Amino acid sequence: QKEVEQDPGPLSVPEGAIVSLNCTYSNSAFQYFMWYRQYSRKGPELLMYTYSSGNKEDGRFTAQVDKSSKYISLFIRDSQPSDSATYLCAMSGGSNTDKLIFGTGTRLQVFP
Amino acid sequence: KAGVTQTPRYLIKTRGQQVTLSCSPISGHRSVSWYQQTPGQGLQFLFEYFSETQRNKGNFPGRFSGRQFSNSRSEMNVSTLELGDSALYLCASSWGQGGETQYFGPGTRLLVL
Repeated sequence: QKEVEQDPGPLSVPEGAIVSLNCTYSNSAFQYFMWYRQYSRKGPELLMYTYSSGNKEDGRFTAQVDKSSKYISLFIRDSQPSDSATYLCAMSGGSNTDKLIFGTGTRLQVFP
Repeated sequence: KAGVTQTPRYLIKTRGQQVTLSCSPISGHRSVSWYQQTPGQGLQFLFEYFSETQRNKGNFPGRFSGRQFSNSRSEMNVSTLELGDSALYLCASSWGQGGETQYFGPGTRLLVL
């Protein structure tokens, strides 16, 4: 079993839809959770960063962490064609030597 | 502030050759991590360097190696290239503290023929 599981998609939605992207994990030591967005032929760019459980909102994006269920989500409101990309979740513990563990990524396509 | 830069951006090699990729981190960042990204395997961790020392290593064969210089710039080397080494190689930099985010470069796309 992988430490982080993420549905690869592709997920295809119409413009304006609410998108929900999810990851599950098995390591209860994870405390730091991130979402990266990667456009085709580019490096991943940081989208959201959260610590421990709870919600964090930034514009159209909301990140949720449920540590009791070992489940994290990224919601995108009013999705735009420019949101079409691969979304990677990533997480780590708090030690200097902890690696950042990535999900395999979910490919999202928003059509006009 | 300038982002993470990687050179070269594209590379074509043949089996058996070796290759060296370069990464310049964000100014002030002391940690550089390297990843291999392929469609089938996703993002796989190669190694991390912090203050010129390898601090963490993934499950790759010894053909994959790296180093970091005193200015935090890093290089990775792959010897005796195989077809399966074709991938996007990404480096990411950070301050080097636990739990922090990493900032990625644009990657080097390597094609092995």
